[in-house]
Amino acid sequence: QVQLQESGPGLVKPSETLSLTCTVSGGSITTYSWSWIRQPPGMGLEWIGSIFYSGNANYNPSLKSRVTMAVDTSKNQFSLNLTSVTAADTAMYYCTRGRVEYGSSPIDYWGQGTLVTVSS
Amino acid sequence: EIVLTQSPATLSLSPGERATLSCRASQSVSSYLAWYQQKPGQAPRLLIYDASRRATGIPARFSGSGSGTDFTLTITSLESEDFAVYYCQQRSNWPPRLTFGGGTNVEIK
Repeated sequence: QVQLQESGPGLVKPSETLSLTCTVSGGSITTYSWSWIRQPPGMGLEWIGSIFYSGNANYNPSLKSRVTMAVDTSKNQFSLNLTSVTAADTAMYYCTRGRVEYGSSPIDYWGQGTLVTVSS
Repeated sequence: EIVLTQSPATLSLSPGERATLSCRASQSVSSYLAWYQQKPGQAPRLLIYDASRRATGIPARFSGSGSGTDFTLTITSLESEDFAVYYCQQRSNWPPRLTFGGGTNVEIK
């Protein structure tokens, strides 16, 4: 059974960098696409970006200038860095697995999510 | 940028009733549309992909239809565990991205 687990600080100061890691177990990271999706409290879902094991990544244009994703195949992990955070970046952050072999690229596995609060 | 608009925002129904949820795309997305269910405090769960294909383990009372710009998620007879928020999602090829609709809250009447 595939499992995804987010890890990282739950509190980040304004203007600093949010850094999260997702550890994938029960399957290899060398297939599928791997994405970060966030959800502000009480609001909807926002795609942050996706990365393949090759390191090729695509980012949400609205966040592109602040986002970097990376993959570490030796550890079966992928990561997210979001720079210059503000209170608007406060959200539940999910790491996910996508099935790009299907037209809609559906997300079939989600981590439990980690709440990141931006506050001084 | 393709925008997904879900309606209604809230649907108030009783157990056993039929639920019909709509997702409209601002331009054609072919059949590249998925549906998710999210319960409070939980991550979303994939229900339907490629407009009409049920994900593994999803009950037959859930069905998806549509293509182009208009899509529907139907729950034929609501059970207590179906009261939740539902999101649609599409994939664009250029620029490569995923987009979610704003969600429909199916609540107990």
